[in-house]
Amino acid sequence: GQQLNQSPQSMFIQEGEDVSMNCTSSSIFNTWLWYKQDPGEGPVLLIALYKAGELTSNGRLTAQFGITRKDSFLNISASIPSDVGIYFCAGQQTGANNLFFGTGTRLTVIP
Amino acid sequence: EAGVVQSPRYKIIEKKQPVAFWCNPISGHNTLYWYLQNLGQGPELLIRYENEEAVDDSQLPKDRFSAERLKGVDSTLKIQPAELGDSAVYLCASSYYGRSYEQYFGPGTRLTVT
Repeated sequence: GQQLNQSPQSMFIQEGEDVSMNCTSSSIFNTWLWYKQDPGEGPVLLIALYKAGELTSNGRLTAQFGITRKDSFLNISASIPSDVGIYFCAGQQTGANNLFFGTGTRLTVIP
Repeated sequence: EAGVVQSPRYKIIEKKQPVAFWCNPISGHNTLYWYLQNLGQGPELLIRYENEEAVDDSQLPKDRFSAERLKGVDSTLKIQPAELGDSAVYLCASSYYGRSYEQYFGPGTRLTVT
């Protein structure tokens, strides 16, 4: 399957700080998605991006679809303790119905 | 609206035993997915159903894994016999047909094979 690499693998931040993470691939995707997974739960969709260069926000979260279509970025502003979890990017290729998931970024927020 | 329901949430079995997982998708969602999630990794697709038809099972290890969605609603994933390496979380997801970019996941079944 396709390989989506996320960085950083993990991060520890103080409450109130901003967070940035990214996802890169060697292949082009026409849709990028960002999911959050809490312990013992399934991933929950946060943001979907459908066009290269697109910038989309959902509350304190902002995601961008990279111009090359091979990457995407997620920013979280003013982090709070409930932001703790694992963030996964996922990509979908043109004409395909399957999603390919990244390796995840584990976020820890220190109160 | 009820979410994707999976059962059991946890299962511990000995190797070589059979095991089955059940999933009930969101009402109205024609497409159902089974994913495997190993520790520290993202979900990987095992099989995708459009209604009762398995349209992509290329990643399903068919020597020991099987799945069915007889009436195009709920689905069962089976492993027989289980191996130690099958220990993982098995996630079910569903979406409307043609909206595979908007998948909703269940809580998963955590399988431990001893």
